[in-house]
Amino acid sequence: DTAVSQTPKYLVTQMGNDKSIKCEQNLGHDTMYWYKQDSKKFLKIMFSYNNKELIINETVPNRFSPKSPDKAHLNLHINSLELGDSAVYFCASSPQGTGNGYTFGSGTRLTVV
Amino acid sequence: EDKVVQSPLSLVVHEGDTVTLNCSYEVTNFRSLLWYKQEKKAPTFLFMLTSSGIEKKSGRLSSILDKKELSSILNITATQTGDSAIYLCAYAGGTSYGKLTFGQGTILTVHP
Repeated sequence: DTAVSQTPKYLVTQMGNDKSIKCEQNLGHDTMYWYKQDSKKFLKIMFSYNNKELIINETVPNRFSPKSPDKAHLNLHINSLELGDSAVYFCASSPQGTGNGYTFGSGTRLTVV
Repeated sequence: EDKVVQSPLSLVVHEGDTVTLNCSYEVTNFRSLLWYKQEKKAPTFLFMLTSSGIEKKSGRLSSILDKKELSSILNITATQTGDSAIYLCAYAGGTSYGKLTFGQGTILTVHP
């Protein structure tokens, strides 16, 4: 039973399109995150939600909009995709916003052509 | 701005070698330092360090934190090809709830 699952695993799309990535965790964690890993493997936080409330928004363009319908789900919608959005996007969760017990999903590789 | 720097950025060794990976940080409100191993997919947790000078060990891997020097090392003894991966150091702290700030990673390649 996958603890943090993301769909889709791969996404290839054209510039200007809108796409969504879904994430679900079954660990009962209160906090969920989106991280972006660029081509140099640098992993950087984008957003975090605690019990459906946005806590962190790390200077991400407005084209990226996270949505958390409940504490087990955190989706990421991206409008007007650009070439620079190509990356691997990781969803993660942790109990109570701690560094301990962080669990990452397996990632969504987004390629914008 | 909080910062985590890892060195070396890449390392190539042969099976059986011992390697030491370095992580230094400049952060406010330090809470903990974490090490992750990333192979093809998700980073997987290795260690969390909160206290200086206390070594954490798991099999051939060990790690220690030096709060005075603002650094941590990850040691891998008797390396195997399965240790080939990116090793990521991250700190948890600052004012942002639950945020992990990562270093650039060290790419370790172990040849047979």
